[in-house]
Amino acid sequence: AQTVTQSQPEMSVQEAETVTLSCTYDTSESNYYLFWYKQPPSRQMILVIRQEAYKQQNATENRFSVNFQKAAKSFSLKISDSQLGDTAMYFCAFCGETSGSRLTFGEGTQLTVNP
Amino acid sequence: DGGITQSPKYLFRKEGQNVTLSCEQNLNHDAMYWYRQDPGQGLRLIYYSQIVNDFQKGDIAEGYSVSREKKESFPLTVTSAQKNPTAFYLCASRVDRAVTGELFFGEGSRLTVL
Repeated sequence: AQTVTQSQPEMSVQEAETVTLSCTYDTSESNYYLFWYKQPPSRQMILVIRQEAYKQQNATENRFSVNFQKAAKSFSLKISDSQLGDTAMYFCAFCGETSGSRLTFGEGTQLTVNP
Repeated sequence: DGGITQSPKYLFRKEGQNVTLSCEQNLNHDAMYWYRQDPGQGLRLIYYSQIVNDFQKGDIAEGYSVSREKKESFPLTVTSAQKNPTAFYLCASRVDRAVTGELFFGEGSRLTVL
């Protein structure tokens, strides 16, 4: 069974600074995807970024980028130039080929961006 | 606009009562999911369905039931057998069962047992 661990329950950052959220996972699968989802106070979950395990290049979406270390089973999210609207709960998630279309989520990290 | 609609947003239940949470999507997605969210535990999968008239148990299915009679609808019933039903419930869908697919979420339903 796959597990996803986010070891930082809460983090804070000053506006315009950079912050990195950590995520580790455990799997025996070779083909899988990793995701970061954002849940703002409105509670609507939205996809931030995704990474395919076979791609060595780290995914980037505007101010959001990942550091994917496949051997270490690590998938961290970096947010550059943090904005007040980035305040949210962030979830790391895993989906493997044998998972039957199921996503496994981590416990979440509450990020607060301070003015 | 396309999306997922969950209702009601807030629901109160007395102990011993069954309640049904509605989830409707107009995205033409094949797969639908129900997750339960509790503080500090992330999202846990209750049930999921990859096609009409078929569904599978997730990690915490005990005390819950679902149906998938129509592609666009996936209601969740919280039965009296669920010992600790107070939680935030999220419905989601994706195009199909492919690994790459993005999950789209509804706005959630908060259930409180009185």
